[in-house]
Amino acid sequence: AQTVTQSQPEMSVQEAETVTLSCTYDTSESNYYLFWYKQPPSRQMILVIRQEAYKQQNATENRFSVNFQKAAKSFSLKISDSQLGDTAMYFCASDLQIQGAQKLVFGQGTRLTINP
Amino acid sequence: DAGVIQSPRHEVTEMGQEVTLRCKPISGHNSLFWYRQTMMRGLELLIYFNNNVPIDDSGMPEDRFSAKMPNASFSTLKIQPSEPRDSAVYFCASSRGSVRGGYEQYFGPGTRLTVT
Repeated sequence: AQTVTQSQPEMSVQEAETVTLSCTYDTSESNYYLFWYKQPPSRQMILVIRQEAYKQQNATENRFSVNFQKAAKSFSLKISDSQLGDTAMYFCASDLQIQGAQKLVFGQGTRLTINP
Repeated sequence: DAGVIQSPRHEVTEMGQEVTLRCKPISGHNSLFWYRQTMMRGLELLIYFNNNVPIDDSGMPEDRFSAKMPNASFSTLKIQPSEPRDSAVYFCASSRGSVRGGYEQYFGPGTRLTVT
């Protein structure tokens, strides 16, 4: 089965610390996309970062970077110099083939709390 | 850019009643998605339209759910009759291209539905 798994339901760090959120996925495809979305308490889902599987270079967006390990099917998100505004649910997602249809499949999410 | 617009933001209804959720995608986007988010099941894709045509409705729970996209700027998700287990947050999202292209999906603020 093609799935996306986030094994950390909750995480908590102090402001300014670095935190890494884990994600693994399972797919038989050779090219696909991986995403991290953020859902703050306001509930609005916002794209944080995107990675195309055939690109070896890890994507980076300011304080956010990924560690993409294609062979291990791992896609972790690193947040550097964490800020209070980073407090949110974080969802890993990938475009997977499910029952013959391509769709964006989300993991169960990791609730991240940044403490002052 | 106004973003994806959803209405209503909150809906409380009694079991058996018809519920209609509305969505206006971002202008120029040709793909539209309806998702449902619950604590138990996470974020699930219900249906996906491309150029106003339903591409994948395999996530629609049952015949009580129906979705339409009469034009590029409007979509509805209808539940008739509603049941307490339909209580969830329903998100609409749009993107400039298909899922296969790895395009960012822009989410609306969601509709919180409570069926009593």
